[in-house]
Amino acid sequence: QVQLQESGPGLVKPSETLSLTCTVSGGSIRSYYWSWIRQPPGKGLEWIGYIHYSGSTNYNSSLKSRVTISVDTSKNQFSLKLSSVTAADTAVYYCARAKADCSGGSCYGGGWFDPWGQGTLVTVSS
Amino acid sequence: QSVLTQPPSASGTPGQRVTISCSGSSSNIGSNYVYWYQQLPGTAPKLLIYRNNQRPSGVPDRFSGSKSGTSASLAISGLRSEDEADYYCAAWDDSLSGPVFGGGTKLTVV
Repeated sequence: QVQLQESGPGLVKPSETLSLTCTVSGGSIRSYYWSWIRQPPGKGLEWIGYIHYSGSTNYNSSLKSRVTISVDTSKNQFSLKLSSVTAADTAVYYCARAKADCSGGSCYGGGWFDPWGQGTLVTVSS
Repeated sequence: QSVLTQPPSASGTPGQRVTISCSGSSSNIGSNYVYWYQQLPGTAPKLLIYRNNQRPSGVPDRFSGSKSGTSASLAISGLRSEDEADYYCAAWDDSLSGPVFGGGTKLTVV
């Protein structure tokens, strides 16, 4: 079955760029949408954005100016870059496969998320 | 402040039936499917319910979902100690053009 694994630095300095990669195994990235979701310590889930293997993206409007998600189909990976980070960006970052869904006549890329990676804690601190 | 509203906590005794509510608006729950996730302590969330009331393979039929208007509910029957976890609802929001989550409900089995 499909498995996802996040990788990247666990510590990032304020004002710098957070960079994470998600490696997909057990299946091809050439289908579905692929998403990043984060969870600050002790808090709830926040959707960051998703990318289709074709390269089309959709980002959370509250993070859009700082977020870039890209895909490398040759490596079966997709990546997250979050610029100008502050302590508020400290969180466990999860990658997940996003299933497109259609309801009430409209379709959207961010339906349900399954499976998820195990998550990686990124701390923003000097 | 989450777009979808859940009670922060819920509790029940073994064998009992508990429900967790999720309240939204016409731009999310009112017009799109609801999804539920279970997050066991120290682990990643896991899909529990999709399309309001559908269970992925492997999810026990003790878990069920429903939706009415702009609200949804997750019901857990025959409560077990291993059900102690955080539960999150989610839905696509047409106004925000993205998925939104509830704040989560911590379920305690006493």
